Amino acid sequence: TQLLEQSPQFLSIQEGENLTVYCNSSSVFSSLQWYRQEPGEGPVLLVTVVTGGEVKKLKRLTFQFGDARKDSSLHITAAQPGDTGLYLCACGGATNKLIFGTGTLLAVQP
Amino acid sequence: GAVVSQHPSRVICKSGTSVKIECRSLDFQATTMFWYRQFPKQSLMLMATSNEGSKATYEQGVEKDKFLINHASLTLSTLTVTSAHPEDSSFYICSATFKQGVTEAFFGQGTRLTVV
Repeated sequence: TQLLEQSPQFLSIQEGENLTVYCNSSSVFSSLQWYRQEPGEGPVLLVTVVTGGEVKKLKRLTFQFGDARKDSSLHITAAQPGDTGLYLCACGGATNKLIFGTGTLLAVQP
Repeated sequence: GAVVSQHPSRVICKSGTSVKIECRSLDFQATTMFWYRQFPKQSLMLMATSNEGSKATYEQGVEKDKFLINHASLTLSTLTVTSAHPEDSSFYICSATFKQGVTEAFFGQGTRLTVV
C-alpha cells in the first residue's frame, strides 16, 4: 500500500489553463513537501508545509496542507510550458527519511 | 541551497560487471544520505538509508548484497551495483540531509545506469 497517493497520475493541458494536483494519505504527517523533477535530473524542493490548514504561495503555485495534516494540494494558475515536469509530494519522519508520493506527470502544451 | 553532486551522470556497463556511483555533499556535512531508484515516469522508491560510519539500512525488498552502500565520510556515500543485469537499468538518485529532525533533502543530479 502506497503511503502517499497522488492524483491525477498524468495530466496534459494547454498553456494558460489552471490545474490542481492532490496528495492523499490515511496517515497524519508533521510536515509535507512538494518537489518538482525534470527529466534526467534530481527533484527540486518547492515548498514545505507544516501547519494544518496552511497555505503557501510560490508565484503561480499555491500549496495547501489539509486541516488534519493527512492531505495536501498543489494548484497552478495559468500554467506555462516551463511548468512541465514530475510533481512529487513527500513526507518525512524523525529519521529524516523521505517517502515520496506516486507522482503526477504534468505536460503543458504551448 | 546545499549542493549534492552525483557521479557519473550516465554509465553503460556489461552484464555481470559492477558499477559504483558516488554521492558527495559539496558544501555541508551530511549526517545521512539516501539512495533512491526511479523507473521512467514513476516516482522515487527509497532503497536504503546511509549513515556515516555505520551499516546502511535497506528498505524491504532491496537486496543488500546486490546494492552495496558505503558511507565512509560525512561528505561521501557510494552505491555499488554488483553483478549488474539488464533489469538493474534505472535512474539512481541520492539525497543528503544535514540536520536531525529536518527532513528537507538535497538531491544529486541522478545517474542513468544502462546494463547491456
